[in-house]
Amino acid sequence: ILNVEQSPQSLHVQEGDSTNFTCSFPSSNFYALHWYRWETAKSPEALFVMTLNGDEKKKGRISATLNTKEGYSYLYIKGSQPEDSATYLCASYGGSQGNLIFGKGTKLSVKP
Amino acid sequence: DAGVTQSPTHLIKTRGQQVTLRCSPISGHKSVSWYQQVLGQGPQFIFQYYEKEERGRGNFPDRFSARQFPNYSSELNVNALLLGDSALYLCASSLDWDRGTEAFFGQGTRLTVV
Repeated sequence: ILNVEQSPQSLHVQEGDSTNFTCSFPSSNFYALHWYRWETAKSPEALFVMTLNGDEKKKGRISATLNTKEGYSYLYIKGSQPEDSATYLCASYGGSQGNLIFGKGTKLSVKP
Repeated sequence: DAGVTQSPTHLIKTRGQQVTLRCSPISGHKSVSWYQQVLGQGPQFIFQYYEKEERGRGNFPDRFSARQFPNYSSELNVNALLLGDSALYLCASSLDWDRGTEAFFGQGTRLTVV
């Protein structure tokens, strides 16, 4: 059974601050790591799917890195905006069953 | 293109009753997965279907069942509802079930069992 852990649980920043959070996962039998952004009353929205050690992906002000050997991924947000306020979920792909194993998420609040 | 649609959006049921939740995937997507999310936790995997066959099942009791239809839509059934079944049920669709395939989620069905 995989355990996916995310830290911190919540984060409060001011508009313009840059921030980052961590997702850790067992490094054995790694398949893929997914990041999602989930705004209140909306659907979780896929940000990145990462499969290779050393992967770095970027979408606008958001970027992510992946280290499969040590079992962690970082999500970075540069110059946070109020619209970035959401819960950020990471999920490790479970393998044969095709399922995602999610962490509990990091709730980000960006104050204007 | 329409996204993943789920119905109903909210539902209140009594303990012991049965419930059916529905999911329509994005057009062209052949894989549908179901997740349960309770407050303070990440979504937990319930089922995955691909091309109308069950590909995976999470650690849920037999009271939970699902199926996928020829048009790739899906239903999740829960029998003999318990208070602990109260949760947000999310459906996700994807082109296939490979590790690198992005999953697209619906807005969920909020089930309350009283």
